[in-house]
Amino acid sequence: DAKTTQPNSMESNEEEPVHLPCNHSTISGTDYIHWYRQLPSQGPEYVIHGLTSNVNNRMASLAIAEDRKSSTLILHRATLRDAAVYYCILRDVQETSGSRLTFGEGTQLTVNP
Amino acid sequence: GAGVSQSPSNKVTEKGKDVELRCDPISGHTALYWYRQSLGQGLEFLIYFQGNSAPDKSGLPSDRFSAERTGGSVSTLTIQRTQQEDSAVYLCASSQESYEQYFGPGTRLTVT
Repeated sequence: DAKTTQPNSMESNEEEPVHLPCNHSTISGTDYIHWYRQLPSQGPEYVIHGLTSNVNNRMASLAIAEDRKSSTLILHRATLRDAAVYYCILRDVQETSGSRLTFGEGTQLTVNP
Repeated sequence: GAGVSQSPSNKVTEKGKDVELRCDPISGHTALYWYRQSLGQGLEFLIYFQGNSAPDKSGLPSDRFSAERTGGSVSTLTIQRTQQEDSAVYLCASSQESYEQYFGPGTRLTVT
Protein backbone atom coordinates (compact mmCIF):
# COMPACT_ATOMS: atom_id res chain seq x y z
CA ASP A 1 0.00 0.00 0.00
CA ALA A 2 1.18 3.49 -0.80
CA LYS A 3 2.04 5.35 2.40
CA THR A 4 1.64 8.91 3.56
CA THR A 5 3.91 11.12 5.64
CA GLN A 6 2.57 13.89 7.86
CA PRO A 7 4.13 16.10 10.53
CA ASN A 8 3.46 14.79 14.03
CA SER A 9 2.04 18.08 15.24
CA MET A 10 1.13 21.61 14.20
CA GLU A 11 -0.14 24.70 15.97
CA SER A 12 -2.42 27.45 14.81
CA ASN A 13 -4.19 30.45 16.24
CA GLU A 14 -7.94 30.74 16.28
CA GLU A 15 -9.49 32.36 13.17
CA GLU A 16 -6.29 31.95 11.17
CA PRO A 17 -5.89 29.60 8.17
CA VAL A 18 -4.20 26.25 8.69
CA HIS A 19 -2.34 24.30 6.02
CA LEU A 20 -1.82 20.63 6.89
CA PRO A 21 0.66 18.93 4.55
CA CYS A 22 0.79 15.31 3.44
CA ASN A 23 3.44 13.59 1.31
CA HIS A 24 2.54 10.51 -0.72
CA SER A 25 5.38 10.07 -3.19
CA THR A 26 4.44 6.47 -4.08
CA ILE A 27 0.81 7.22 -4.87
CA SER A 28 -0.67 5.20 -7.72
CA GLY A 29 -2.94 6.49 -10.47
CA THR A 30 -6.05 4.96 -8.89
CA ASP A 31 -5.40 6.14 -5.32
CA TYR A 32 -7.82 8.70 -3.96
CA ILE A 33 -6.55 11.07 -1.26
CA HIS A 34 -8.82 11.09 1.78
CA TRP A 35 -8.68 13.18 4.94
CA TYR A 36 -10.31 12.25 8.20
CA ARG A 37 -10.00 13.86 11.60
CA GLN A 38 -10.50 12.54 15.11
CA LEU A 39 -11.62 14.88 17.84
CA PRO A 40 -10.78 13.90 21.43
CA SER A 41 -12.77 10.90 22.67
CA GLN A 42 -14.66 10.54 19.39
CA GLY A 43 -14.54 8.31 16.34
CA PRO A 44 -12.90 9.62 13.17
CA GLU A 45 -14.87 12.01 10.98
CA TYR A 46 -14.66 12.31 7.20
CA VAL A 47 -13.35 15.68 6.05
CA ILE A 48 -12.73 15.63 2.31
CA HIS A 49 -11.29 13.58 -0.55
CA GLY A 50 -9.99 14.10 -4.07
CA LEU A 51 -8.22 12.45 -6.98
CA THR A 52 -6.51 15.08 -9.11
CA SER A 53 -8.33 18.39 -8.93
CA ASN A 54 -8.54 20.67 -5.94
CA VAL A 55 -11.72 20.17 -3.91
CA ASN A 56 -13.76 22.40 -1.65
CA ASN A 57 -16.54 21.58 0.79
CA ARG A 58 -18.11 23.21 3.82
CA MET A 59 -15.41 21.89 6.13
CA ALA A 60 -12.19 22.43 4.23
CA SER A 61 -10.31 22.63 0.94
CA LEU A 62 -7.95 20.06 -0.50
CA ALA A 63 -5.10 21.21 -2.69
CA ILE A 64 -3.44 18.42 -4.69
CA ALA A 65 -0.04 18.89 -6.32
CA GLU A 66 0.12 18.50 -10.07
CA ASP A 67 2.28 15.37 -9.76
CA ARG A 68 -0.03 14.10 -6.96
CA LYS A 69 2.95 13.33 -4.75
CA SER A 70 1.70 15.68 -2.07
CA SER A 71 -1.45 17.39 -0.92
CA THR A 72 -2.52 20.03 1.60
CA LEU A 73 -5.64 20.19 3.70
CA ILE A 74 -6.67 23.80 4.23
CA LEU A 75 -8.85 24.98 7.09
CA HIS A 76 -9.71 28.53 6.14
CA ARG A 77 -10.44 29.83 9.65
CA ALA A 78 -9.42 27.56 12.48
CA THR A 79 -11.70 27.31 15.50
CA LEU A 80 -11.05 25.68 18.85
CA ARG A 81 -13.33 22.85 17.71
CA ASP A 82 -10.88 22.05 14.90
CA ALA A 83 -8.30 20.78 17.41
CA ALA A 84 -7.96 17.13 16.45
CA VAL A 85 -5.71 14.52 14.89
CA TYR A 86 -5.86 14.83 11.11
CA TYR A 87 -5.22 11.74 9.00
CA CYS A 88 -4.24 11.73 5.33
CA ILE A 89 -5.14 8.35 3.80
CA LEU A 90 -4.80 6.85 0.33
CA ARG A 91 -7.56 4.56 -0.90
CA ASP A 92 -7.41 2.50 -4.09
CA VAL A 93 -11.08 1.77 -4.51
CA GLN A 94 -10.37 -0.56 -7.41
CA GLU A 95 -9.01 -3.09 -4.94
CA THR A 96 -11.14 -4.95 -2.41
CA SER A 97 -8.61 -4.12 0.28
CA GLY A 98 -8.87 -0.50 -0.76
CA SER A 99 -12.19 -0.21 0.99
CA ARG A 100 -10.54 -0.25 4.39
CA LEU A 101 -8.92 2.85 5.81
CA THR A 102 -5.25 2.49 6.76
CA PHE A 103 -4.58 5.11 9.41
CA GLY A 104 -1.07 6.40 10.03
CA GLU A 105 0.05 8.56 12.93
CA GLY A 106 -1.67 11.68 11.66
CA THR A 107 -1.03 15.32 12.61
CA GLN A 108 -2.12 16.57 16.01
CA LEU A 109 -3.47 20.08 15.42
CA THR A 110 -3.52 22.43 18.39
CA VAL A 111 -5.56 25.63 18.04
CA ASN A 112 -4.64 28.45 20.38
CA PRO A 113 -7.29 30.95 21.47
CA GLY B 1 -30.65 11.40 10.65
CA ALA B 2 -29.35 8.76 13.02
CA GLY B 3 -25.67 8.02 12.84
CA VAL B 4 -23.78 4.84 13.63
CA SER B 5 -24.50 3.65 17.14
CA GLN B 6 -22.51 1.22 19.26
CA SER B 7 -23.21 -0.54 22.50
CA PRO B 8 -22.15 -0.73 25.18
CA SER B 9 -20.20 2.52 25.38
CA ASN B 10 -17.98 1.02 28.04
CA LYS B 11 -17.29 -2.58 28.98
CA VAL B 12 -15.12 -3.90 31.78
CA THR B 13 -14.52 -7.62 31.78
CA GLU B 14 -12.27 -10.11 33.49
CA LYS B 15 -9.47 -11.81 31.63
CA GLY B 16 -10.71 -15.05 30.07
CA LYS B 17 -14.34 -13.97 29.68
CA ASP B 18 -16.10 -13.56 26.32
CA VAL B 19 -17.51 -10.20 25.22
CA GLU B 20 -19.90 -9.08 22.49
CA LEU B 21 -19.83 -5.59 21.02
CA ARG B 22 -22.72 -4.33 18.92
CA CYS B 23 -22.86 -1.93 15.99
CA ASP B 24 -25.95 -0.43 14.37
CA PRO B 25 -24.93 1.11 11.05
CA ILE B 26 -26.63 3.94 9.22
CA SER B 27 -29.75 2.63 7.50
CA GLY B 28 -29.11 1.75 3.88
CA HIS B 29 -25.34 1.56 4.18
CA THR B 30 -24.12 -1.60 2.52
CA ALA B 31 -20.60 -1.62 3.95
CA LEU B 32 -19.65 -2.06 7.60
CA TYR B 33 -16.19 -1.95 9.15
CA TRP B 34 -14.67 -2.70 12.53
CA TYR B 35 -11.48 -0.99 13.72
CA ARG B 36 -9.77 -0.80 17.08
CA GLN B 37 -7.62 1.86 18.69
CA SER B 38 -5.35 0.91 21.55
CA LEU B 39 -4.19 3.53 24.02
CA GLY B 40 -1.76 5.86 22.31
CA GLN B 41 -1.92 3.84 19.08
CA GLY B 42 -3.38 4.48 15.67
CA LEU B 43 -6.53 2.89 14.33
CA GLU B 44 -6.19 -0.71 13.21
CA PHE B 45 -8.53 -2.36 10.68
CA LEU B 46 -10.18 -5.56 11.86
CA ILE B 47 -12.92 -6.73 9.47
CA TYR B 48 -15.08 -5.47 6.60
CA PHE B 49 -18.54 -6.52 5.39
CA GLN B 50 -19.89 -5.52 1.97
CA GLY B 51 -23.40 -6.59 1.05
CA ASN B 52 -23.72 -10.35 0.68
CA SER B 53 -20.05 -10.86 -0.15
CA ALA B 54 -17.75 -12.86 2.08
CA PRO B 55 -16.28 -10.57 4.74
CA ASP B 56 -12.67 -9.41 4.61
CA LYS B 57 -11.32 -10.84 7.88
CA SER B 58 -7.68 -10.13 7.14
CA GLY B 59 -7.29 -7.67 10.01
CA LEU B 60 -8.51 -9.91 12.83
CA PRO B 61 -5.53 -10.37 15.20
CA SER B 62 -6.34 -13.92 16.29
CA ASP B 63 -8.97 -16.65 16.04
CA ARG B 64 -10.42 -15.40 19.32
CA PHE B 65 -11.97 -12.56 17.32
CA SER B 66 -15.03 -13.06 15.12
CA ALA B 67 -17.80 -10.90 13.72
CA GLU B 68 -21.20 -11.37 12.18
CA ARG B 69 -23.52 -9.11 10.29
CA THR B 70 -27.11 -10.26 10.38
CA GLY B 71 -29.60 -9.28 7.70
CA GLY B 72 -27.14 -6.88 6.18
CA SER B 73 -27.58 -4.49 9.09
CA VAL B 74 -26.54 -4.96 12.71
CA SER B 75 -23.10 -6.38 13.40
CA THR B 76 -21.65 -8.07 16.46
CA LEU B 77 -17.94 -8.35 17.20
CA THR B 78 -17.16 -11.21 19.58
CA ILE B 79 -13.92 -11.62 21.48
CA GLN B 80 -13.50 -14.97 23.19
CA ARG B 81 -11.24 -15.60 26.19
CA THR B 82 -10.30 -11.93 26.45
CA GLN B 83 -6.72 -10.95 27.21
CA GLN B 84 -5.38 -7.70 28.66
CA GLU B 85 -3.93 -6.74 25.29
CA ASP B 86 -7.48 -6.70 23.90
CA SER B 87 -8.15 -3.52 25.92
CA ALA B 88 -8.88 -0.80 23.38
CA VAL B 89 -11.61 1.34 21.88
CA TYR B 90 -13.49 -0.67 19.26
CA LEU B 91 -14.89 1.51 16.49
CA CYS B 92 -17.52 0.61 13.93
CA ALA B 93 -18.06 2.49 10.67
CA SER B 94 -20.49 2.18 7.80
CA SER B 95 -20.61 3.53 4.27
CA GLN B 96 -22.49 3.37 1.02
CA GLU B 97 -20.32 1.17 -1.21
CA SER B 98 -16.77 2.57 -1.04
CA TYR B 99 -17.67 6.14 -0.22
CA GLU B 100 -16.76 8.00 2.95
CA GLN B 101 -17.06 6.08 6.19
CA TYR B 102 -19.16 7.26 9.11
CA PHE B 103 -17.86 6.18 12.48
CA GLY B 104 -19.70 5.41 15.68
CA PRO B 105 -18.60 6.68 19.11
CA GLY B 106 -16.85 3.41 19.91
CA THR B 107 -16.91 0.89 22.74
CA ARG B 108 -14.17 1.21 25.30
CA LEU B 109 -13.18 -2.31 26.39
CA THR B 110 -11.11 -2.80 29.52
CA VAL B 111 -9.88 -6.29 30.37
CA THR B 112 -8.79 -6.63 34.00
